[in-house]
Amino acid sequence: GENVEQHPSTLSVQEGDSAVIKCTYSDSASNYFPWYKQELGKRPQLIIDIRSNVGEKKDQRIAVTLNKTAKHFSLHITETQPEDSAVYFCAAQRGSGAGSYQLTFGKGTKLSVIP
Amino acid sequence: EAQVTQNPRYLITVTGKKLTVTCSQNMNHEYMSWYRQDPGLGLRQIYYSMNVEVTDKGDVPEGYKVSRKEKRNFPLILESPSPNQTSLYFCASRSWDSGSQPQHFGDGTRLSIL
Repeated sequence: GENVEQHPSTLSVQEGDSAVIKCTYSDSASNYFPWYKQELGKRPQLIIDIRSNVGEKKDQRIAVTLNKTAKHFSLHITETQPEDSAVYFCAAQRGSGAGSYQLTFGKGTKLSVIP
Repeated sequence: EAQVTQNPRYLITVTGKKLTVTCSQNMNHEYMSWYRQDPGLGLRQIYYSMNVEVTDKGDVPEGYKVSRKEKRNFPLILESPSPNQTSLYFCASRSWDSGSQPQHFGDGTRLSIL
């Protein structure tokens, strides 16, 4: 099955700096890669996603890049703010075949933005 | 309002006492799923369902059962709970079309098995 590795497990940045979280996946059939943000005591919420036919996607201060050849994708947050502090999860999903539509998550990155 | 509703939100119970966590969604989604979240392990899938009467095991199905008799409901059943099932549980749903649709999560159920 799919295996998703996420690094780092914790990340501290100064307010205004950029934060980068990286994930690698093992299944070349995976074609959908969402990122979720989970604030303390709350449910995971989708912040951005990317499909395998796209190399980069941006939404205001958040961007995701995908390298299908290397099987890795990254989340970039620019001009970080204290409210960006949360746990971030990457995930990968197959689009067809056995196990398709199952979402496999990374173990999460706890981001702390220091004012 | 589109939402996934889980009940109860919190439950403390004892080993061996059967319990059910309910999950209901109002978005007419075909796909529903249960995850457990443990510190340092992220979200791991327990069971999923692609439609009514169609369910399959995820990565950590041992000790759990599910059923999907109606499209909107997907209960998680612990027939004989044990302390290692103490965890935070999330139900999620999404539309089936195209396959690349985001999952919507419920607010979670925190289970403590003593």
